[in-house]
Amino acid sequence: QVQLVQSGSELKKPGASVKLSCKASGYTFTSYGMNWLRQAPGQGLEWMGWINTNTGNPTYAQGFTGRFVFSLDTSVSTAYLQISSLKADDTAVYYCARVYRGSDYWGQGTLVTVSS
Amino acid sequence: EIVLTQSPGTLSLSPGERATLSCRASQSISSSYLAWYQQKPGQAPRLLIYGASSRATGIPDRFSGSGSGTDFTLTISRLEPEDFAVYYCQQYGSSPTWTFGQGTKVEIK
Repeated sequence: QVQLVQSGSELKKPGASVKLSCKASGYTFTSYGMNWLRQAPGQGLEWMGWINTNTGNPTYAQGFTGRFVFSLDTSVSTAYLQISSLKADDTAVYYCARVYRGSDYWGQGTLVTVSS
Repeated sequence: EIVLTQSPGTLSLSPGERATLSCRASQSISSSYLAWYQQKPGQAPRLLIYGASSRATGIPDRFSGSGSGTDFTLTISRLEPEDFAVYYCQQYGSSPTWTFGQGTKVEIK
């Protein structure tokens, strides 16, 4: 069965960096792209962009350029999201989700808390 | 960027009642690329409907989607206790920007 398992919660200070992982199983990793999405506390969903898992080419949504980097390690079927120069308003749950019919399978989410 | 506006913001209904949720787009979108998701507190969203009207795998037939152009609807024919949640519409055809509506909360009356 398809599963996306994300790394655990992170507590970071402003200005730090964080790298989140999303490990896929149950399907051919390179056959489907991977979305990244953000949900701030009590807020709605924001699409951050996606990465083509076949070519490694990322596409970033407006507002998620510069400090956000999508990457892959196809040998372990894992997608990564790195966020640098963290700010308090980066505090959110970050989701990965498979690109198919919108987003058909989602990871459980990773809570990133940015606080001094 | 296509803006999706969902209404109402909150829908207060009783189990067994019919729920009708609206999603309006700022410009016409292809029906092939309109999805609905359900999210319960503390959980990841779950895909309900894709292509405006196709149910995702395992979704009960009390959930149905319709619409075209700029106006789309999610209908839950008879609310079950587990259906009380927040629902989001999303357009995923206008790459590189996929957008979500702000959500409709379906709460128990």
